[in-house]
Amino acid sequence: QVQLQESGPGLVKPSQTLSLTCTVSGGSISSGSYYWSWIRQPAGKGLEWIGRIYTSGSTNYNPSLKSRVTISVDTSKNQFSLKLSSVTAADTAVYYCARDLLTTGFDYWGQGTLVTVSS
Amino acid sequence: QSVLTQPPSVSGAPGQRVTISCTGSSSNIGAGYDVHWYQQLPGTAPKLLIYGNSNRPSGVPDRFSGSKSGTSASLAITGLQAEDEADYYCQSYDSSLSEVFGGGTKLTVL
Repeated sequence: QVQLQESGPGLVKPSQTLSLTCTVSGGSISSGSYYWSWIRQPAGKGLEWIGRIYTSGSTNYNPSLKSRVTISVDTSKNQFSLKLSSVTAADTAVYYCARDLLTTGFDYWGQGTLVTVSS
Repeated sequence: QSVLTQPPSVSGAPGQRVTISCTGSSSNIGAGYDVHWYQQLPGTAPKLLIYGNSNRPSGVPDRFSGSKSGTSASLAITGLQAEDEADYYCQSYDSSLSEVFGGGTKLTVL
């Protein structure tokens, strides 16, 4: 059973960079034709896709966030990571990592981690 | 403002049938991209409920079904149960090169 777990600081100051890591267990991040995505959800609001990475390092980002987002993968650690720069209060949200089947949805999700942007 | 439009809320009594609509445009659902549905119970991560418009992952009861027509899709839940009370989200791909979600629908079981 694949499991995903987000980790990283729960509080980030405005204008700084948000950094999160997703650790995948129960299977190799490199096995199968899977992508790995980050998705966020502000409190009481809907879901927003941030971007995805393939284990080759190929990435796709939401155009609305593209200028501030970097997603990377470390196959040796079975992890992938998110960096979001120049954060503001609008970036406060629960951030989820998920296994991305590309054309058939996101089938495994982490439990989510709350990141608050505040001074 | 979500790219895919869902009703904010729907409700039904136990045992009844409810449907949740998801309306898109010619740049997403209408362009032929598949629709997927997620169930989010309070305080938990979303769970894939329907993929590829009408397919259920293993373990999802057949009370849940999905369909797609034109620029819209629908999720139907029959034999409504108290544990179905949750938020439901549709998701598709948009030709703006992004995965997009609906704004979510809160299902209340009366």
